Amino acid sequence: EAQVTQNPRYLITVTGKKLTVTCSQNMNHEYMSWYRQDPGLGLRQIYYSMNVEVTDKGDVPEGYKVSRKEKRNFPLILESPSPNQTSLYFCASSYTAGHEQFFGPGTRLTVL
Amino acid sequence: GDSVTQMEGPVTLSEEAFLTINCTYTATGYPSLFWYVQYPGEGLQLLLKATKADDKGSNKGFEATYRKETTSFHLEKGSVQVSDSAVYFCALSDLFHSNDYKLSFGAGTTVTVRA
Repeated sequence: EAQVTQNPRYLITVTGKKLTVTCSQNMNHEYMSWYRQDPGLGLRQIYYSMNVEVTDKGDVPEGYKVSRKEKRNFPLILESPSPNQTSLYFCASSYTAGHEQFFGPGTRLTVL
Repeated sequence: GDSVTQMEGPVTLSEEAFLTINCTYTATGYPSLFWYVQYPGEGLQLLLKATKADDKGSNKGFEATYRKETTSFHLEKGSVQVSDSAVYFCALSDLFHSNDYKLSFGAGTTVTVRA
């Protein structure tokens, strides 16, 4: 089954404790992206990747890092989480940029 | 930059009512337009899309027409069901006329359909 998976689905952590949210897709897609969803703001792009070893900032990259060492994986790293990073995070992938994006189920992160 | 404006919700309807969600956009070129739907507790999934002016996207009884003259992409369904209760997002992608490799989303419209 073609899908995008994220882990964990739910996470509660404390300020400053590094964490990683994993994202994996099994569709051999070139393009992958991370979004955060906040009430009244829709989805805002954090980082995206056009292909392996090619990443770039989206609209709200501050406080986040990503890597793309393999085509299927695109982890999101929060080196020192802060409460304003409490949000619902979605990973997405597409065949290439500009095409239909397939979304993961989301990760609800709470930073205390 | 590119942006999408959606009508604000929440919207509450009775079953079999007509649904319209307005969406207008601002873009420098000729973007592709999308409607995504998010059911409770799930990720977003593509509902329909249109890639050029006057195209009509349709799926699951929903329709939207790409209107370049009014820069709009309104979503409509003639007879909603309880199972249509969800959050609906309008989005655009202007890949070929800018270096912006992203989907720009509207704020989302929450729709609740009552039996």
